[in-house]
Amino acid sequence: DTAVSQTPKYLVTQMGNDKSIKCEQNLGHDTMYWYKQDSKKFLKIMFSYNNKELIINETVPNRFSPKSPDKAHLNLHINSLELGDSAVYFCASSQGLNTGELFFGEGSRLTVL
Amino acid sequence: GENVEQHPSTLSVQEGDSAVIKCTYSDSASNYFPWYKQELGKRPQLIIDIRSNVGEKKDQRIAVTLNKTAKHFSLHITETQPEDSAVYFCAASIGLGTDKLIFGTGTRLQVFP
Repeated sequence: DTAVSQTPKYLVTQMGNDKSIKCEQNLGHDTMYWYKQDSKKFLKIMFSYNNKELIINETVPNRFSPKSPDKAHLNLHINSLELGDSAVYFCASSQGLNTGELFFGEGSRLTVL
Repeated sequence: GENVEQHPSTLSVQEGDSAVIKCTYSDSASNYFPWYKQELGKRPQLIIDIRSNVGEKKDQRIAVTLNKTAKHFSLHITETQPEDSAVYFCAASIGLGTDKLIFGTGTRLQVFP
């Protein structure tokens, strides 16, 4: 049973396209996140949602739009992709706000050509 | 802005030796300090964490120490094994909660048999 699953695992696309990454967790957690890991392995938070409500929006360009239809899902849509968007995007969840441990998905490697 | 510095960026040790990774943080309100291990091509996973009301925490071969006055914390791995080889990330919470984490830049640990 995969606790936090995200699809697709790999995504190769052209500059200017729009793409989505989906994330689902079956842990019953209330809080979900998107993190970006760049080529230098630097992990940076992008968004967090608690019970479908946006909690953290970390100065991410508005080309990135997260959507949480319910607390088990947090999807990421990216418009007008740029070369600098190439990275591994990790979805994560935690039990709730201020509960500590993050459970990461396996990552989605996005390559923009 | 707030940041977390992590050293060294790479660390090579012989199997059985100890490894120490150090981090410093800038936000005096930080109260939660987790360490994540990321094996090649895999997701980051929590290995140990410490909160600001504790100076040291140990879990088998892994220990973390925290010096709130100096704003630094360290990961100690004793009796290293080849399976300890991975990238290790420290992180510090920003603000009063624990949800917004700033990650260090990672330490690539290689344990040679």
